Amino acid sequence: ILNVEQSPQSLHVQEGDSTNFTCSFPSSNFYALHWYRWETAKSPEALFVMTLNGDEKKKGRISATLNTKEGYSYLYIKGSQPEDSATYLCAFPTSGTYKYIFGTGTRLKVLA
Amino acid sequence: GAGVSQSPSNKVTEKGKDVELRCDPISGHTALYWYRQSLGQGLEFLIYFQGNSAPDKSGLPSDRFSAERTGGSVSTLTIQRTQQEDSAVYLCASSTRGTVSNQPQHFGDGTRLSIL
Repeated sequence: ILNVEQSPQSLHVQEGDSTNFTCSFPSSNFYALHWYRWETAKSPEALFVMTLNGDEKKKGRISATLNTKEGYSYLYIKGSQPEDSATYLCAFPTSGTYKYIFGTGTRLKVLA
Repeated sequence: GAGVSQSPSNKVTEKGKDVELRCDPISGHTALYWYRQSLGQGLEFLIYFQGNSAPDKSGLPSDRFSAERTGGSVSTLTIQRTQQEDSAVYLCASSTRGTVSNQPQHFGDGTRLSIL
């Protein structure tokens, strides 16, 4: 059974702190790993799609790395701001195409 | 341009009634997905359309659930004889191509379904 796990489940940080969380996925038959941010009362927003081992992508203060051999991706947020408060989801396509398994997410709360 | 649009945004109905949820994907997106999130759970894949065809319906929870897509555009998810366990947020997403996994999905705001 394919599974995508995210940790921690939730986290509170102070404004200005840097933080990171993990997505673990099956390392065999890797195709891609997606990261999404889901703010309360909004729709999930795509952050990154990562496809190559060793990939590192950056969007403003948020960056992500990928290790396909060991089956994990890290998401980093530098200098967290209250507007970063959201649930961060990762997703893994099981057959390389349409059937995505999502993790249960990391709920981040940044305290002002 | 316009994003993915879902309607209604909220639906409250009595157990046993049928409901229909609608999704308008981004124009030109051939791939369309339906997911649901039940309380305390992660996003659960329901069904995928490439154009008007759904190659895999195995994610639909029961035969009370059905979905269709017409004109390669609008999709409807229908739940017949609703049960309380159907209460969830139903999300629709679209992407340019579903046959490659490097295309991000664009999500709608979801329909929050509550079964009394």
